[in-house]
Amino acid sequence: QVQLQESGPGLVKPSETLSLTCSVSGYSISSGYFWGWFRQPPGKGLEWIANIYHSGSTYYSSSLKSRVSISVDTSRNQFSLDLSSLTAADTAIYYCARDGERTTGGPADYWGQGTLVIVSS
Amino acid sequence: VLTQSPSASASLGASVKLTCTLSSWHSTYSIAWYQQQPEKGPRFLMTVDTYGGLIKGAGIPDRFSGSSSGAERYLTISSLHSEDEADYYCQTWGTGIRVFGGGTKLTVL
Repeated sequence: QVQLQESGPGLVKPSETLSLTCSVSGYSISSGYFWGWFRQPPGKGLEWIANIYHSGSTYYSSSLKSRVSISVDTSRNQFSLDLSSLTAADTAIYYCARDGERTTGGPADYWGQGTLVIVSS
Repeated sequence: VLTQSPSASASLGASVKLTCTLSSWHSTYSIAWYQQQPEKGPRFLMTVDTYGGLIKGAGIPDRFSGSSSGAERYLTISSLHSEDEADYYCQTWGTGIRVFGGGTKLTVL
């Protein structure tokens, strides 16, 4: 059974950079699939942020591309997200997920439980 | 790209059909359905392609099914249980892009 677990700070200050890590168990990232980050502001819908393949190929949401970086550490079976220049609008639950098998896309079939990030001074 | 009705309701034990409408430019795209119960993360239910072909997620009950007609993709839930009360999202994708519908909040009466 594929399992994902997000970790990172629950509270960050405006203008700072958020760093989150997703630990994967039950499946080796090196075996394939894209691995992605999503978020959900309180009371709102889901938004895709970025994804990465084990080889390091990356894709970013056009609306967040200038502030986002995603990376993978296959030796630890983890992948990470950095989001810079935070504002209150970045307050959300952040989810990691296994995000599709092919470059052309596919469903996010396994998700973490999510981590709430609040941006506030 | 993806349009969903904001809300739907149906009685316990009944069936309900939720709709996700693709824009005309994307009318042949496959979509995925997700369920999000209150205070939980999304759960992958199934993919539905333009021909009505389905690929279900692990452990998804037979009560959940999907279908397709033109630019519309459907999720049908039969024999509604109280735990089916949730938000349901559809999603489509392309190279370097993932798009969600606004979600439908299902109330089980």
